[in-house]
Amino acid sequence: DQQVKQNSPSLSVQEGRISILNCDYTNSMFDYFLWYKKYPAEGPTFLISISSIKDKNEDGRFTVFLNKSAKHLSLHIVPSQPGDSAVYFCAASALWSGGTSYGKLTFGQGTILTVHP
Amino acid sequence: DTGVSQNPRHKITKRGQNVTFRCDPISEHNRLYWYRQTLGQGPEFLTYFQNEAQLEKSRLLSDRFSAERPKGSFSTLEIQRTEQGDSAMYLCASSLGVGSIYEQYFGPGTRLTVT
Repeated sequence: DQQVKQNSPSLSVQEGRISILNCDYTNSMFDYFLWYKKYPAEGPTFLISISSIKDKNEDGRFTVFLNKSAKHLSLHIVPSQPGDSAVYFCAASALWSGGTSYGKLTFGQGTILTVHP
Repeated sequence: DTGVSQNPRHKITKRGQNVTFRCDPISEHNRLYWYRQTLGQGPEFLTYFQNEAQLEKSRLLSDRFSAERPKGSFSTLEIQRTEQGDSAMYLCASSLGVGSIYEQYFGPGTRLTVT
């Protein structure tokens, strides 16, 4: 079963506008969430994370929002830049609530973001 | 060393051959993970090491797969009697795992093609 889902395979936005990438999860044990960016022929690059005790975390142009009741998180990129064009993965972990704290990540399928100049 | 490195970057092998991949984590990171990624999917967890101890293995890791992390430094992932279904990108990640620092940092991956 797909415990982490990114239902939009792709997203296209204009430079300078906001990009909103969405992610849904089903496992209530997940308590730590991360977003990664991936360029072709490279490994995923960590962007931003949030623990379940928070509902928002900001880092520069990137903000992650967590809605625990809806089991939904989103990544906002403002303003979007052409260099942001990549595949974005949402990932989740049962870091503290899973009985062990191994921190293995469960990933969504990814969303391809294209930012047009 | 500023990141996770993996070697080789590409491996083409014939079905039935054995292959071994190496991962060098960020030096102070005691946690090391292996993931596998196929086309159009996100990475899937394979196995986890804390220092030299292998603490968790996914059911994806069949008997043909074995991983080691001697002395808690670099790690190797071996696939015996490769099958075409093993073709994928194999990713290694490491993390510090203390305080609030649980982010995993990934290497560039090893792309395996089994012909």
